[in-house]
Amino acid sequence: NAGVTQTPKFQVLKTGQSMTLQCAQDMNHNSMYWYRQDPGMGLRLIYYSASEGTTDKGEVPNGYNVSRLNKREFSLRLESAAPSQTSVYFCASSALETGSYEQYFGPGTRLTVT
Amino acid sequence: ILNVEQSPQSLHVQEGDSTNFTCSFPSSNFYALHWYRWETAKSPEALFVMTLNGDEKKKGRISATLNTKEGYSYLYIKGSQPEDSATYLCASTNTGGFKTIFGAGTRLFVKA
Repeated sequence: NAGVTQTPKFQVLKTGQSMTLQCAQDMNHNSMYWYRQDPGMGLRLIYYSASEGTTDKGEVPNGYNVSRLNKREFSLRLESAAPSQTSVYFCASSALETGSYEQYFGPGTRLTVT
Repeated sequence: ILNVEQSPQSLHVQEGDSTNFTCSFPSSNFYALHWYRWETAKSPEALFVMTLNGDEKKKGRISATLNTKEGYSYLYIKGSQPEDSATYLCASTNTGGFKTIFGAGTRLFVKA
């Protein structure tokens, strides 16, 4: 039982390049989330998915797109990376459908955009 | 958008000291309050989730209380140990359950 996994762990992009961050969970959770974490700030919600086939914007969605490929996987795409998107990205999942609000986090992806 | 505020930003204590942190959150549309422990180079791990006014939760030397009417929660650590050194995150979930807003965290340093 791996929990929540993320790939890659580190990535350096040039401004304008695109990439997809991958996230998968093996806990059969319906809900999945993408956050970014910047110095001095809390985790900020980018997008979330309440269930397979649905996605919704969070607090800071601009510049990102997401795909809930199936129940296990939730990917985050940067179409044209900008230096302001340099951050650590965390994926999380929870079993809201069971009334559990506890979120389980992946190890994070450290992204640098130059 | 909810604003979750945590204080202090950082705290340095000696081994054996007891300490506490504060989390304040808007009480309107409140549904759940979370505390997470986040060690450097790891991912956040849930400590407690509380939903009811007056809730108190305890796990070993760590405990938390919740006041939803006035919008605050306290996290207490009794007899701090060096392994308690971490960032403690507070987060509030609104009704509906999907939008969870995190505070910036309290960074605890426990010196042996």
